[in-house]
Amino acid sequence: AQSVTQLGSHVSVSEGALVLLRCNYSSSVPPYLFWYVQYPNQGLQLLLKYTSAATLVKGINGFEAEFKKSETSFHLTKPSAHMSDAAEYFCAVRPSKAGGTSYGKLTFGQGTILTVHP
Amino acid sequence: NAGVTQTPKFQVLKTGQSMTLQCAQDMNHNSMYWYRQDPGMGLRLIYYSASEGTTDKGEVPNGYNVSRLNKREFSLRLESAAPSQTSVYFCASSVYPSYEQYFGPGTRLTVT
Repeated sequence: AQSVTQLGSHVSVSEGALVLLRCNYSSSVPPYLFWYVQYPNQGLQLLLKYTSAATLVKGINGFEAEFKKSETSFHLTKPSAHMSDAAEYFCAVRPSKAGGTSYGKLTFGQGTILTVHP
Repeated sequence: NAGVTQTPKFQVLKTGQSMTLQCAQDMNHNSMYWYRQDPGMGLRLIYYSASEGTTDKGEVPNGYNVSRLNKREFSLRLESAAPSQTSVYFCASSVYPSYEQYFGPGTRLTVT
C-alpha cells in the first residue's frame, strides 16, 4: 500500500521568498515520486520526478526536490518565489516494482495551494 | 501534438441522466486513467487501463463504467448520475517504462 501526506493545505509566501512545500510518503516498495502543478481551471502539469537516480531532482520553473529515504520525504523547494508560481501543487507516489495491483497507479496527496504576495 | 484531449469541457446533468466523457491521446501511450478531483481530496483514481483491451477499477469506481475503445481513446460513462458525482474529471495517459502521467484539461460536471 502507498500513501502521500502533504503538510499544509495552504502556504503563503512573499515574492522573492523561499518556497517550501512538504510531502511525506509511505510505500511498501521503493517508490517513484512526482510533483505536479495545477493552475486554475487547468489540468495537472509535471514539475519533476524521482525515479531512483539522483536524490536531488531539478524540475521546471526553478523548482527542485530532494528524496530523503530516512525521513520518507520529498519536499519541493524554490529559492525565490514569483507571482506566477501561485497554483496548487500535488505530490504523488507509485511503486517502482511490478507486482501487486497498485503497480502503474499514482496515489496523490491532497494538494497544497501556494499563494504569493507582492 | 494535441496531447490528451477531453470532451466536453463543461456539463450539467439532472439526477438520473446518463452521459459519456470522452478522452483521447495522440502520444501512442499504452496506459490511460480517469480521475475525479474534489476540493481537499486531491485526485482519486476511478478506473484505469494498463493497455488496450484491459481495464481495472481504481479507488472510487462505483457509479462509473469505462471503455477502452482503442489505443487512443478511453471513455468514462455515468449510467445514472447522482449529485455526489459533481466533480472535475481528468483523463491521463502514460507509457511504459516511463513513469509520469500526462493530463487532459478536465471536464467540469455538475449534477443537480
